[in-house]
Amino acid sequence: KAGVTQTPRYLIKTRGQQVTLSCSPISGHRSVSWYQQTPGQGLQFLFEYFSETQRNKGNFPGRFSGRQFSNSRSEMNVSTLELGDSALYLCASSHQGVETQYFGPGTRLLVL
Amino acid sequence: QQQVKQSPQSLIVQKGGISIINCAYENTAFDYFPWYQQFPGKGPALLIAIRPDVSEKKEGRFTISFNKSAKQFSLHIMDSQPGDSATYFCAASSVQGAQKLVFGQGTRLTINP
Repeated sequence: KAGVTQTPRYLIKTRGQQVTLSCSPISGHRSVSWYQQTPGQGLQFLFEYFSETQRNKGNFPGRFSGRQFSNSRSEMNVSTLELGDSALYLCASSHQGVETQYFGPGTRLLVL
Repeated sequence: QQQVKQSPQSLIVQKGGISIINCAYENTAFDYFPWYQQFPGKGPALLIAIRPDVSEKKEGRFTISFNKSAKQFSLHIMDSQPGDSATYFCAASSVQGAQKLVFGQGTRLTINP
C-alpha cells in the first residue's frame, strides 16, 4: 500500500498570505489528523476528520481550518499567515482514530 | 492535565548498549500510549504502542514498560545500533475520547559506533 502523501513538500509564503496544504491518506483510511511541528512547541494537534466531519479541534486560532472530501483526502488552510506559522505540517491517517496512525512526510512551510 | 512529559531531551549511548527514554502523564483517561521514531526530513513513524491492560510489550529490540499506578511509561532499545539514531516521541491518547495524540517533547538519541 502507498503511504500517506502530502503536497507540496516545501512552501515559502509571505506574511498575510494564505496557504492550502493537501493530504492523501492510506487507501481505506477514513480518519485524517493534522499536526504542527515546531522546535519550540513540538508536535501539536490541529484537527481530525472522519468521514468528512471534523471530530476534534486543537487549540489553534480560527485562521487554521480544514476539510475532508468524500475520498478521504484532506486539505488544511491557513489564512493571514504570521511568521510564527512557519513549521512542519504533518498529516496522519488511520482507519478510525488515534490507534495506528501513520504519518506523511510533512509540508515544510516558511513564512517570510 | 493534557501534558505528557518526556525525558531526557537528548541521550548518547554506545553501540550495543541499552537506550531508555521515559514519559509521564497526568490524565488518567489516557489509554493508548504509542512511541514514534522520526528521522530528519521525515514524518514520525509508529514504532510500538501499548494499552494499559499490560505492563510490558516487546517487539524485537524495542520494549515498552508501563506503570499505571505511577502514570509512567518508558521505551527501552536493546542492543542499540547507529541506525537507531533519531528523535523519539512518546504520546498518549484516549481511544474512546478525543481522537488526538498528545506528544512528549521528544528525545534526540545518538548511538556512537
